[in-house]
Amino acid sequence: DTEVTQTPKHLVMGMTNKKSLKCEQHMGHRAMYWYKQKAKKPPELMFVYSYEKLSINESVPSRFSPECPNSSLLNLHLHALQPEDSALYLCASSQEGVNSYEQYFGPGTRLTVT
Amino acid sequence: AQSVTQPDIHITVSEGASLELRCNYSYGATPYLFWYVQSPGQGLQLLLKYFSGDTLVQGIKGFEAEFKRSQSSFNLRKPSVHWSDAAEYFCAVGSLPGGTYKYIFGTGTRLKVLA
Repeated sequence: DTEVTQTPKHLVMGMTNKKSLKCEQHMGHRAMYWYKQKAKKPPELMFVYSYEKLSINESVPSRFSPECPNSSLLNLHLHALQPEDSALYLCASSQEGVNSYEQYFGPGTRLTVT
Repeated sequence: AQSVTQPDIHITVSEGASLELRCNYSYGATPYLFWYVQSPGQGLQLLLKYFSGDTLVQGIKGFEAEFKRSQSSFNLRKPSVHWSDAAEYFCAVGSLPGGTYKYIFGTGTRLKVLA
């Protein structure tokens, strides 16, 4: 199974709401990623978890809070977002180790902040 | 600093015609190179990758890419394009800042296929 699943597919939230995005993989991968993608742009890396520890935070605002409860799950908690945070949020995973660097992407969550 | 350039923002080809998408990279060591495809509103799917060895790599969906170190290029090719190939294509180089692996993506090339 080479699938990364993300829920929900679509999310509309107000600027005062709290919501969470969920990502799951069952490939035994030990690295998981959150990306933000605006229309007609490449994905921008937000966070990387390696062996369930946060290893990269690309200076993301604190209104985005990642969490990795176990090696298969990755959450992104959202609070007090701004309209400019509307985007496609992609989760990815990869197997740690030499020559195993390809990332497998989920279908994304389309987020609209009103 | 590492970088990836995809010079063509848009490319239009007729169905059945050949395709070449350009990718140039800047990286201090031997790069790990990737091509991904993204259909509208979807995630990215890996087409192929280059780590080492044979400089011509085969991927899925009939795509291939050639690594040319002297030109710092990793161009994607397909001999005969199908209408379903219309999508956004991203080239990426893998880097290891501080020991944690991450990608640097190019800006993407949007492919349109004419029937």
